[in-house]
Amino acid sequence: EVQLLESGGGLVQPGGSLRLSCAASGFTFSSYAMTWVRQAPGKGLEWVSGISSGGGSTYYADSVKGRFTISRDSSRNTLHLQMNSLRVEDSAVYYCAKSTAYTSSGSDFWGQGTLVTVSS
Amino acid sequence: QSVLTQPPSVSAAPGQKVTISCSGSSSNIGNNYVSWYQQLPGTAPKLLIYDNNKRPSGIPDRFSGSKSGTSATLGITGLQTGDEADYYCGTWDSSLSAGVFGGGTRLTVL
Repeated sequence: EVQLLESGGGLVQPGGSLRLSCAASGFTFSSYAMTWVRQAPGKGLEWVSGISSGGGSTYYADSVKGRFTISRDSSRNTLHLQMNSLRVEDSAVYYCAKSTAYTSSGSDFWGQGTLVTVSS
Repeated sequence: QSVLTQPPSVSAAPGQKVTISCSGSSSNIGNNYVSWYQQLPGTAPKLLIYDNNKRPSGIPDRFSGSKSGTSATLGITGLQTGDEADYYCGTWDSSLSAGVFGGGTRLTVL
């Protein structure tokens, strides 16, 4: 059974940093691209970042480019999202999602999400 | 403002059919596969359709997807009250080198 378990969310002040993690199990982690998607309260889904199966290619939404860094540790089956220079508008539930294949593909499994609140 | 355009809401009676449209451009829908997601209140999104028209295992054939040019459509037949949810289309945008979603459509089963 595929499981994705996010952690690392919480309350942080504007300008601060957080590191989200996503522990994956139930599939061959190193064979699939992975994605982070966020959803602000009462709003729609926003694609944040994606990483190829091998980790060699990374992609970012313009809204987070230069501030967020996606990475993966295939030895630990874990996906990370390092978030720096956080802004109030980064407040959202962050979901980790497994791709059906490539970074450009749809996501067939999602975690339960972790809440990030940026506020002073 | 989302890159992909969906109607904010649709509604239909139980047992009826509904379609949800998703409009984009040549840099996204026109040249990439489309996926559709269902999000029930308070839960994570669930994949309904991928690669334009394929259903993951466990998704009933009441759900279907199609694509023509720069638009895609999700169809749901035999509507049930349990289908009330938000529906999102998503794809890759080759110009942005990023994923994109529609703004979401709330389905009400009257």
